[in-house]
Amino acid sequence: NAGVTQTPKFQVLKTGQSMTLQCAQDMNHNSMYWYRQDPGMGLRLIYYSASEGTTDKGEVPNGYNVSRLNKREFSLRLESAAPSQTSVYFCASSAIGTGDGNTIYFGEGSWLTVV
Amino acid sequence: AQSVTQLGSHVSVSEGALVLLRCNYSSSVPPYLFWYVQYPNQGLQLLLKYTTGATLVKGINGFEAEFKKSETSFHLTKPSAHMSDAAEYFCAVSEVAGTYKYIFGTGTRLKVLA
Repeated sequence: NAGVTQTPKFQVLKTGQSMTLQCAQDMNHNSMYWYRQDPGMGLRLIYYSASEGTTDKGEVPNGYNVSRLNKREFSLRLESAAPSQTSVYFCASSAIGTGDGNTIYFGEGSWLTVV
Repeated sequence: AQSVTQLGSHVSVSEGALVLLRCNYSSSVPPYLFWYVQYPNQGLQLLLKYTTGATLVKGINGFEAEFKKSETSFHLTKPSAHMSDAAEYFCAVSEVAGTYKYIFGTGTRLKVLA
């Protein structure tokens, strides 16, 4: 049972470099999310995709772009990394409107350091 | 607007003692409520959730939480702490009617003392 899988687990970037975080879920969920976690700030939503073909900004979208490639995959791109983007990134998915009670499932996280 | 408040960013208990982690929420509609646990260098794992029905909810690893509408609370408890319970715990709320918004608390780090 893979659930939500995200890669890479760890990455070090130089300021100005770009990279893409990949995420895939095998639970046939319609909604997918990208969060960042910073000490003392809990989880903050970057972008979400309510369903295949749609994406929307969350609380902290600046400096990021996303692509909902298909129902399974939702990628997060940093076009020009900045030290303020050093964080732990979590991909998540949920099946809104089903009997699962809006439960959101998380990947294992991606630790990103921008130097 | 929805919000979640977790009282105490750090809580320490002795092994075998009661664990009580507090969560208060605000929501304009009946909410779905969740507790997640995060072990070091791992993702968030669902402990338990309240959707409808019985207000006392049992989860994994001996944890339970009670939804108290009048107090807008959803506190997490465990009768006897174990060393393996040391982790960070997050309370979260989602509106019932199929929204994509989840509001997370800022987390409570639980330390278990031998």
